[in-house]
Amino acid sequence: QQQVKQSPQSLIVQKGGISIINCAYENTAFDYFPWYQQFPGKGPALLIAIRPDVSEKKEGRFTISFNKSAKQFSLHIMDSQPGDSATYFCAPRGSNDYKLSFGAGTTVTVRA
Amino acid sequence: GEEVAQTPKHLVRGEGQKAKLYCAPIKGHSYVFWYQQVLKNEFKFLISFQNENVFDETGMPKERFSAKCLPNSPCSLEIQATKLEDSAVYFCASSQTGVSGNTIYFGEGSWLTVV
Repeated sequence: QQQVKQSPQSLIVQKGGISIINCAYENTAFDYFPWYQQFPGKGPALLIAIRPDVSEKKEGRFTISFNKSAKQFSLHIMDSQPGDSATYFCAPRGSNDYKLSFGAGTTVTVRA
Repeated sequence: GEEVAQTPKHLVRGEGQKAKLYCAPIKGHSYVFWYQQVLKNEFKFLISFQNENVFDETGMPKERFSAKCLPNSPCSLEIQATKLEDSAVYFCASSQTGVSGNTIYFGEGSWLTVV
């Protein structure tokens, strides 16, 4: 059973544009909703995270929007830069087992 | 240390040989996680530890995989009798506590190639 569905699989955006990545989940035990960024040859690194008691969180050019009733959350990258080219993973975490449940990843390419 | 340290970075094994990977979590972190990343993207959870105790092993293929986190030693993940399908990047991660809001930090991974 796939608990986390992430879309799109890949996207190409022009420099300065907006990248939007979506994540839908099924497990109602998830209570922490992070996005991880991974560059080739590196481990994933936490980019931004949200708790379910807020609907939006913004850190610089990165924003998470969270819809608890729809069991969806999304990552918005504003003013995309070539350095943002990476693979992004949603990875909600459960309150009972603490492990991250990764989405399939979205490869973002920002064209200069 | 301030980062999760994994060794070796690359490992090549013939089918049927043993592979052993090591992980030193961030100092002071009591939770350790092992993940397998295949096909460039897909992450599979293998096992987690709370200090030296197995916390969750629901992802472990127990017949060939084993893992340990002993006091004052790096954690290890061992694969007996490797198969071609074990070729993947194995990531170790650690967090200070098990509380959901605690950031999980990843190492740079160990790339296992089974030939």
